[in-house]
Amino acid sequence: EADIYQTPRYLVIGTGKKITLECSQTMGHDKMYWYQQDPGMELHLIHYSYGVNSTEKGDLSSESTVSRIRTEHFPLTLESARPSHTSQYLCASSERGPNYGYTFGSGTRLTVV
Amino acid sequence: GQQVMQIPQYQHVQEGEDFTTYCNSSTTLSNIQWYKQRPGGHPVFLIQLVKSGEVKKQKRLTFQFGEAKKNSSLHITATQTTDVGTYFCAGPGSGAGSYQLTFGKGTKLSVIP
Repeated sequence: EADIYQTPRYLVIGTGKKITLECSQTMGHDKMYWYQQDPGMELHLIHYSYGVNSTEKGDLSSESTVSRIRTEHFPLTLESARPSHTSQYLCASSERGPNYGYTFGSGTRLTVV
Repeated sequence: GQQVMQIPQYQHVQEGEDFTTYCNSSTTLSNIQWYKQRPGGHPVFLIQLVKSGEVKKQKRLTFQFGEAKKNSSLHITATQTTDVGTYFCAGPGSGAGSYQLTFGKGTKLSVIP
């Protein structure tokens, strides 16, 4: 079954630590996205990719970085976590971008203490 | 830039009552999509509307796209507790934002048994 996987599901980490949130999809989608969402609030696009070696920043300023070395893999890295990074991070992919439905992963709930 | 506005922000209904959420865009949309996010979950794609005046049904859910393709609605008939969650509409951005979906802030539905 085609799907999109995010790990870890939950993460509690200390300030200043480097973390990488994993996102992988088995659908062969070129377009992938990272969203940040506080509980019950709106979705903010922080990064997107249209294919291998393509990455762009989204609307919401973020101190994170992303890479896209393989089609199926789109990890997000925070070099130095801060309490303000506490949020839910959602990864999504799409066959044809905004003119087609997005498939979201289950998300990573990050808490920085 | 393009804005997608949703009303109401919150809706509490008694089980069995109907529910409607409205979505308005500041620009004409090529398509509009609806997503449902259960509490603690991730957004799940429900449907995409493309044609002016289009109406689609999924069991108790009725989706409508306005004639001018700038507004949309989601109507749920006889709500059930399984309908609880946040409903987001989303449309492609315009101009420089056309690479992404712009999400509304969502309507959070609570169903009182």
